[in-house]
Amino acid sequence: AQRVTQPEKLLSVFKGAPVELKCNYSYSGSPELFWYVQYSRQRLQLLLRHISRESIKGFTADLNKGETSFHLKKPFAQEEDSAMYYCALSDNNAGNMLTFGGGTRLMVKP
Amino acid sequence: DAGVTQSPTHLIKTRGQHVTLRCSPISGHKSVSWYQQVLGQGPQFIFQYYEKEERGRGNFPDRFSARQFPNYSSELNVNALLLGDSALYLCASSGPPQGLSTDTQYFGPGTRLTVL
Repeated sequence: AQRVTQPEKLLSVFKGAPVELKCNYSYSGSPELFWYVQYSRQRLQLLLRHISRESIKGFTADLNKGETSFHLKKPFAQEEDSAMYYCALSDNNAGNMLTFGGGTRLMVKP
Repeated sequence: DAGVTQSPTHLIKTRGQHVTLRCSPISGHKSVSWYQQVLGQGPQFIFQYYEKEERGRGNFPDRFSARQFPNYSSELNVNALLLGDSALYLCASSGPPQGLSTDTQYFGPGTRLTVL
């Protein structure tokens, strides 16, 4: 069965510092990986997906199949990046089922 | 479009009762998924429906059931409520599956269920 692990519950950085939110997964097939974000008092929304290979709000994530990781990175954190971040994996053999990690709360201090 | 809508926003029930949660997808979306999010954890997949047919089911007991209507709205039903069913229940809608690529799921605000 697939599994997504986010080892850090909380990550606190200062504004302008680099950010890396870790995500590791286990999956027997060819995974599709996502990062979802939830800002305060807002609904869960897609931040980026690995097949898009694009940068959203300065964030990037590279799928490393050898290390089974999909870490989210941003070179310079902004206060508005403070939010809850969830890594998720899609099992295309079961429709659009998403398996989420436990989430990491990012706090960017001024 | 208001996005995915869910009702009610909050709900308080007692053990053993039954609850029905409702979801309206984004206009044009034919797929609806349900997730349970217990406090401090990530969302956990319960069901997915596409064109009124169940396409996926997570590891939840038979007390959980769902259905999708001709207008693509959906209901999640939970019978014989337990304290452990207290959670935020999220609904997500998406377009039809696009080949091997998962279509983006758009989430609603959730229904907060408290079981006393």
